[in-house]
Amino acid sequence: EDQVTQSPEALRLQEGESSSLNCSYTVSGLRGLFWYRQDPGKGPEFLFTLYSAGEEKEKERLKATLTKKESFLHITAPKPEDSATYLCAVVGFGNEKLTFGTGTRLTIIP
Amino acid sequence: SAVISQKPSRDICQRGTSLTIQCQVDSQVTMMFWYRQQPGQSLTLIATANQGSEATYESGFVIDKFPISRPNLTFSTLTVSNMSPEDSSIYLCSVEEYTGGGQYFGPGTRLTVT
Repeated sequence: EDQVTQSPEALRLQEGESSSLNCSYTVSGLRGLFWYRQDPGKGPEFLFTLYSAGEEKEKERLKATLTKKESFLHITAPKPEDSATYLCAVVGFGNEKLTFGTGTRLTIIP
Repeated sequence: SAVISQKPSRDICQRGTSLTIQCQVDSQVTMMFWYRQQPGQSLTLIATANQGSEATYESGFVIDKFPISRPNLTFSTLTVSNMSPEDSSIYLCSVEEYTGGGQYFGPGTRLTVT
């Protein structure tokens, strides 16, 4: 059974204070690992797809990296508008279902 | 990326009634998914809906409680039947991203049952 564990559950940062969110996963044959951003009361917004260990993707202040056991979402010099819950999900080969972690609730303090 | 809309965006319903949620996609897709997100929780898959076949339900979800229709490749409905306060959640539909196995999500329907 696929499993995803995210840490920390919540993170408060000062504006401009860089940090990383962790996503540890267990899956038999990784097809893809996905990062989403979710604002309160809204649907998850697709951020990144990572397929293989060593892969990196960047978008503005966000950078996602992948190893064989975990993924990191690095946030550089965050702004208050980066405040949201960040969700990690995986899908294995032969399986069309996403397995989600419980998310990291990020708060950026001005 | 697919553009997904849901109706209604939110509703407040009485215990014992039913609500049908609509999901519309701007392109033809084979698979559509329905999720529930209870307050403060992550997403839980309710069922997978393929056009032309019966929906496949996950453990803990049954067709009598959550009937799903999938009449064509761009539309699906989820009905929450005989509602109780425990059904208060955000309900989300999604479609599969066509290459990598990820999914795009609609904006969600926030349901409150009183």
